[in-house]
Amino acid sequence: QVQLVQSGAEVKKPGSSVRVSCEASGDSFSNSAVSWVRQAPGQGLEWMGRVIPSLDIAHFAPNFRGRVTITADKSTTTAYMVLSSLKSEDTAVYYCARDQGRDDMVLFDYWGQGTLVTVSS
Amino acid sequence: EIVMTQSPATLSVSPGERAILSCRASHSVRSNLAWYQQKPGQAPRLLISGASTRATSIPARFSGSGSGTEFTLTITSLQSEDFAVYYCQQYNNWPLTFGPGTKVDLK
Repeated sequence: QVQLVQSGAEVKKPGSSVRVSCEASGDSFSNSAVSWVRQAPGQGLEWMGRVIPSLDIAHFAPNFRGRVTITADKSTTTAYMVLSSLKSEDTAVYYCARDQGRDDMVLFDYWGQGTLVTVSS
Repeated sequence: EIVMTQSPATLSVSPGERAILSCRASHSVRSNLAWYQQKPGQAPRLLISGASTRATSIPARFSGSGSGTEFTLTITSLQSEDFAVYYCQQYNNWPLTFGPGTKVDLK
């Protein structure tokens, strides 16, 4: 059984960066990929980007390109998301989510518990 | 970018009744559509992939249909644990996009 455990809540100042981690157990990352999806308070889901750990390849949503970095450490089966130049509108719950590594079938069968990032001066 | 829309925004249903949720894509996504259920304070849960294939452990009262641009999620005989928000997601084109959600609440 795959479990994704994310790092804890963060409070950040505007203009700073935040790093959120997502540790996978029960998954070696050899045949999977990890995406980051965020949800602003009371809002819907927004896909940010995805990394394929076995290939070190990442895709990003246009809205986040240049501001988000997504990486994965295969040795620790941990994925990371760094979002820079934070604005108040980035206040959201950030989820990591796993798919089975196929580019033609990117849907999410396992999710982390979510990490609340609050951006406030 | 493919824009996903969902209707209605809120659906009020009594336990035991049937709920029909709609999802529309701005361009064809073939059958590359998933449905998720999200309860307050929880991460989404995958219900349906390929527009109509139930995920592991999903009860048979959940069914999906459609292809191209029009999709439907049907919940027959709604149970108390089914009151939640439901999202559709297309995975036919980058970037992946979700619909705004339909909230199913108690009538």
